[in-house]
Amino acid sequence: DVKVTQSSRYLVKRTGEKVFLECVQDMDHENMFWYRQDPGLGLRLIYFSYDVKMKEKGDIPEGYSVSREKKERFSLILESASTNQTSMYLCASGPSDTDTQYFGPGTRLTVL
Amino acid sequence: DAKTTQPPSMDCAEGRAANLPCNHSTISGNEYVYWYRQIHSQGPQYIIHGLKNNETNEMASLIITEDRKSSTLILPHATLRDTAVYYCIVRVGDAGGTSYGKLTFGQGTILTVHP
Repeated sequence: DVKVTQSSRYLVKRTGEKVFLECVQDMDHENMFWYRQDPGLGLRLIYFSYDVKMKEKGDIPEGYSVSREKKERFSLILESASTNQTSMYLCASGPSDTDTQYFGPGTRLTVL
Repeated sequence: DAKTTQPPSMDCAEGRAANLPCNHSTISGNEYVYWYRQIHSQGPQYIIHGLKNNETNEMASLIITEDRKSSTLILPHATLRDTAVYYCIVRVGDAGGTSYGKLTFGQGTILTVHP
């Protein structure tokens, strides 16, 4: 079974804090993704990576950065958290040659 | 990628087949149809995908019309655990390079399975 794990299910941070969201996959997938999901807006792609140390902006990268130092791990960083970044964050991974993606359970981040 | 249209909600009785339609009338020849679902408070889950031929796996069957303008996801014996939002996504299968995986999830169909 493909397993994608995220470091926390729930997280509460204060405005201005630096936030790290970690994602680990165990299927040796080349591609990894970070989405956020908000009511009425669906899933929106923040960043993705198709190889170690490679990253590409998704549809809403502003206010976020990412790091992929190892193939199995993809981190999302909020440099200075703001209240409008309160959301459900979903990580996914997938092989390089299809659009099959496997999602983690999500992290519900609240920024106060 | 082609746009998809799905009904906002559907109901199904437990144990019966759930047939979820998707319209993708602008699909082009190299675009695949993917289905995902999202159960409440969980991440989306891949179900099945296909290009032209009908596909079946342990979760569902995918029926694609001959002109490929629409498809139906079939859950043969729906259970209460199948209550979820179901997303139909059309994607170019050979875009290559960094285009893979940039899925766009629309609003989907909320399937409610009743006892």
